[in-house]
Amino acid sequence: NAGVTQTPKFRILKIGQSMTLQCTQDMNHNYMYWYRQDPGMGLKLIYYSVGAGITDKGEVPNGYNVSRSTTEDFPLRLELAAPSQTSVYFCASREAVNTEAFFGQGTRLTVV
Amino acid sequence: AQKITQTQPGMFVQEKEAVTLDCTYDTSDPSYGLFWYKQPSSGEMIFLIYQGSYDQQNATEGRYSLNFQKARKSANLVISASQLGDSAMYFCAMREGRGDYGQNFVFGPGTRLSVLP
Repeated sequence: NAGVTQTPKFRILKIGQSMTLQCTQDMNHNYMYWYRQDPGMGLKLIYYSVGAGITDKGEVPNGYNVSRSTTEDFPLRLELAAPSQTSVYFCASREAVNTEAFFGQGTRLTVV
Repeated sequence: AQKITQTQPGMFVQEKEAVTLDCTYDTSDPSYGLFWYKQPSSGEMIFLIYQGSYDQQNATEGRYSLNFQKARKSANLVISASQLGDSAMYFCAMREGRGDYGQNFVFGPGTRLSVLP
């Protein structure tokens, strides 16, 4: 039972490069989320999705894009990486409105 | 505006004693849920306990209980009989919105708990 899988686990990007952080869940959850966690801080919501084809902005969406073409996958796209995007990124999914979120192991991204 | 406030950046507790971690929230939605998560130094997020806004009783899960005071908009986590393994960051989170509309799920800044032997 894989749960929520994020790839890659670590990545170093140069300023201006682009990349996609992958997130897949095998629990058939409708709700999926992307967060960033800066050192010593809480999680900030970037984008979320309530089902395939439906996405919405969270607290800190600037510099990111998402898509949700299937229930399982919710990739996060960084188009022009900036040092301010250095962070740990977590993907999460939930089955229903009153259930807990299951988290991936995180992706540690450094932009230099 | 901050939706979740955790006013204690760091807390210390003696092993085997109880500790309360504070959480206040801000929402105008009558339907919401409150969650607590633990993040050890390894980085993973571990779900601890959940309280729905319409739940009549305070939630309990083993050594964890949630002191839910709806009128004060507070949802404090109580850990009884602290163990060394409880040392971690603790996050309060809130889900608001009905059905598929506005399923926001936001976290507070966290409290770092250190359990002393």
